[in-house]
Amino acid sequence: NAGVTQTPKFRILKIGQSMTLQCTQDMNHNYMYWYRQDPGMGLKLIYYSVGAGITDKGEVPNGYNVSRSTTEDFPLRLELAAPSQTSVYFCASSYSMSAVAPNEQFFGPGTRLTVL
Amino acid sequence: GDSVTQMEGPVTLSEEAFLTINCTYTATGYPSLFWYVQYPGEGLQLLLKATKADDKGSNKGFEATYRKETTSFHLEKGSVQVSDSAVYFCALLNAGGTSYGKLTFGQGTILTVHP
Repeated sequence: NAGVTQTPKFRILKIGQSMTLQCTQDMNHNYMYWYRQDPGMGLKLIYYSVGAGITDKGEVPNGYNVSRSTTEDFPLRLELAAPSQTSVYFCASSYSMSAVAPNEQFFGPGTRLTVL
Repeated sequence: GDSVTQMEGPVTLSEEAFLTINCTYTATGYPSLFWYVQYPGEGLQLLLKATKADDKGSNKGFEATYRKETTSFHLEKGSVQVSDSAVYFCALLNAGGTSYGKLTFGQGTILTVHP
């Protein structure tokens, strides 16, 4: 199993450009997540999905969009890039999230995005 | 809302020293608690977890005990190695209501171990 894969690893965008960060998992997980990691700030949840066709906003969704047409893929779209979106983006997945027996979130290697 | 607070870093230790990274949390109900580790250039990996009060999570020589009375989940290791150099994140999962089990992370603590 490859686990969670993300592309690209690095990207530089100009202000106003758009791009899609790709995320794929091969573990047949229902739950998928997008986080951003800013220096010294931990991870903030952008969007999440509990299954194909179902997505919802996290803590910091402004400026981003997502879709979930298949179980495997969960792309993150930036429509009008801004310098405030310079960050490292992580995709994660899990089989489920139970309060009684929580399941591990598996993280991808991340995408480092710079907006100039 | 839920929150996690970790000790200020970075932490610098010599090999074989004792490690403690403090973590306290604020949450309603009965969250589950986690420590994740991020090695340079990589994504996060689960290090250990505890799902209820007084549970002890352990892995790779690291331990943490879920203390509900002090709302803490401090990470400890008796003898660190250079290979333990990484960023450590404390996190909680509160799956009540409509949260769908979202993780709340602390800010991370950078650990550097010198030979």
